[in-house]
Amino acid sequence: DAGVIQSPRHEVTEMGQEVTLRCKPISGHDYLFWYRQTMMRGLELLIYFNNNVPIDDSGMPEDRFSAKMPNASFSTLKIQPSEPRDSAVYFCASSKVGTGNTEAFFGQGTRLTVV
Amino acid sequence: GNSVTQMEGPVTLSEEAFLTINCTYTATGYPSLFWYVQYPGEGLQLLLKATKADDKGSNKGFEATYRKETTSFHLEKGSVQVSDSAVYFCALTRSGGSYIPTFGRGTSLIVHP
Repeated sequence: DAGVIQSPRHEVTEMGQEVTLRCKPISGHDYLFWYRQTMMRGLELLIYFNNNVPIDDSGMPEDRFSAKMPNASFSTLKIQPSEPRDSAVYFCASSKVGTGNTEAFFGQGTRLTVV
Repeated sequence: GNSVTQMEGPVTLSEEAFLTINCTYTATGYPSLFWYVQYPGEGLQLLLKATKADDKGSNKGFEATYRKETTSFHLEKGSVQVSDSAVYFCALTRSGGSYIPTFGRGTSLIVHP
């Protein structure tokens, strides 16, 4: 398997624009997580899905953030409108829960810069 | 709730020095414990794991032992290399039935030649 695939790797956008980050989890995994990483706050869990259903979005900072998982092989994280303080690295991760196997597999991340 | 506490970084060592990065946790029941490594510009990769008390996880010369009595999972390596320079994250899952990974803040390791 190619692992968790995120696109784009880098995104530079102007304040106020809509940004969409994409993620393809590992085939067969039933959990999908979106994280945000910044120097100030470290790694923050934004939202997670189980079997394509959003379970907990309490980490989403504002209503400007939304996430969807229309099927088992694709998820998006959208920011509309974007602001400079949204600049961060966004990671998608997936896992398959089984006996003794609860580790998360991470994508390479999307580095978002909002100017 | 669940939490993971790691020592503050950066940790700066010379090549071939001994490494310890401390990690303690708070969790319900018997969580699984992990160390992840993040190289510059990359995502987190699983380095090692332990799923029950007294288990020792090991990989690439790194080791960590699941100590339930002290709720710790310290990372050690006997002789570090420049290529080990990265950020190391301690994490837990499967606490109280939750499979959501909880991560520490990360510890930056810098190894000089």
